[in-house]
Amino acid sequence: EIVLTQSPDFQSVTPKEKVTITCRASQSIGSSLHWYQQKPDQSPKLLIKYASQSISGVPSRFSGSGSGTDFTLTINSLEAEDAATYYCHQSSSLQGTFGQGTKLEIK
Amino acid sequence: EVQLVQSGAEVKKPGESLRISCKGSGYSFTSYWISWVRQMPGKGLEWMGRIDPSDSYTNYSPSFQGHVTISADKSISTAYLQWSSLKASDTAMYYCARPLGTMIANDAFDIWGQGTMVTVSS
Repeated sequence: EIVLTQSPDFQSVTPKEKVTITCRASQSIGSSLHWYQQKPDQSPKLLIKYASQSISGVPSRFSGSGSGTDFTLTINSLEAEDAATYYCHQSSSLQGTFGQGTKLEIK
Repeated sequence: EVQLVQSGAEVKKPGESLRISCKGSGYSFTSYWISWVRQMPGKGLEWMGRIDPSDSYTNYSPSFQGHVTISADKSISTAYLQWSSLKASDTAMYYCARPLGTMIANDAFDIWGQGTMVTVSS
């Protein structure tokens, strides 16, 4: 099973700040890494597909990068509505796996 | 509108059986795999398994193989997740999810159901 490890687990940030969340895979997964946002009592929402590809309707302040084993989700100029938990997800192997999540709190 | 609509919350006792559902609409149901994802209270997302509704072929995560059964009825565009004997540790929110691409088992999930909360308590 491919293990995804996110860091940090929790981050408290102020509006307009730039945020970086990392996701490290236990083995190379190419670009088969996706990012989701989950707000309390809501279903996850796809933010970025295949490491860096944007999703229609998602604000441009969200971007992704990386390949192989190391990936990054960047949120430029954080807004209050970005308070949520963020998950990475790999689809390289038949058994998909998720990272443990990173909770963003807005100060 | 493409959507997945799940059945309502369930409260069950340990040892009872249960089947929850996920109905697809607004797209060709047999053209996309359906996955199930568990989220225990206050915890992260766990991929459980998937089904190809066109032929009911399934893949399971080793963590869930033998504990749950995934099935589908393509005639009514509905996928199911079922337990034969629930445990308290099955208490969780369960989501169904559809991948981006047609006939692609491994892919990002762009459509999610609203979730079904299952509570197992004596």
